[in-house]
Amino acid sequence: DTEVTQTPKHLVMGMTNKKSLKCEQHMGHRAMYWYKQKAKKPPELMFVYSYEKLSINESVPSRFSPECPNSSLLNLHLHALQPEDSALYLCASSRGRGGLPEQYFGPGTRLTVT
Amino acid sequence: SQQGEEDPQALSIQEGENATMNCSYKTSINNLQWYRQNSGRGLVHLILIRSNEREKHSGRLRVTLDTSKKSSSLLITASRAADTASYFCATDPNNAGNMLTFGGGTRLMVKP
Repeated sequence: DTEVTQTPKHLVMGMTNKKSLKCEQHMGHRAMYWYKQKAKKPPELMFVYSYEKLSINESVPSRFSPECPNSSLLNLHLHALQPEDSALYLCASSRGRGGLPEQYFGPGTRLTVT
Repeated sequence: SQQGEEDPQALSIQEGENATMNCSYKTSINNLQWYRQNSGRGLVHLILIRSNEREKHSGRLRVTLDTSKKSSSLLITASRAADTASYFCATDPNNAGNMLTFGGGTRLMVKP
């Protein structure tokens, strides 16, 4: 199984809502990532989890809160977002330390903040 | 922030023609990767070239790497309509194997 799944596919939320994005992989990968991608732009790294520990936070605002409950799951909790946070949110995984660096991406969650 | 730039930003060709995309990067690297993204979807890893390699092939893909110029190119031969997508180069600027920084991407359209 070389698939990374993400739910939901689409999400519309108001600026006062709290929602969560979910990501799952069953490849035994020990590194997981959240990226944000605006239209016609490359993905931008937000967070990296390595062996279930947050290892990189690319100065992301606190209204985005990542969580890694176990080695297969990655969540992104959203609260008090702004309209400019509307984007495609991509989850990815890779083998982790010492492994091949190729990342496997999920299909993304298209988020619209109204 | 972007590690590098890609050129051209957009490319439109006819089916059967070759497509060449170029990528430049800023820091020294251990490897460089290319990814494809179909419209609004996730990225798919295409090929990885290590810093001690100058050229690599995978099916209809040919990647070159010139570390002295900090540049790479991706050639797709005999293009097909299904190759229509955005193509990104990616490097790990920290060489720690735990993060990717993407170039700006080339949007390729292959007309049938």
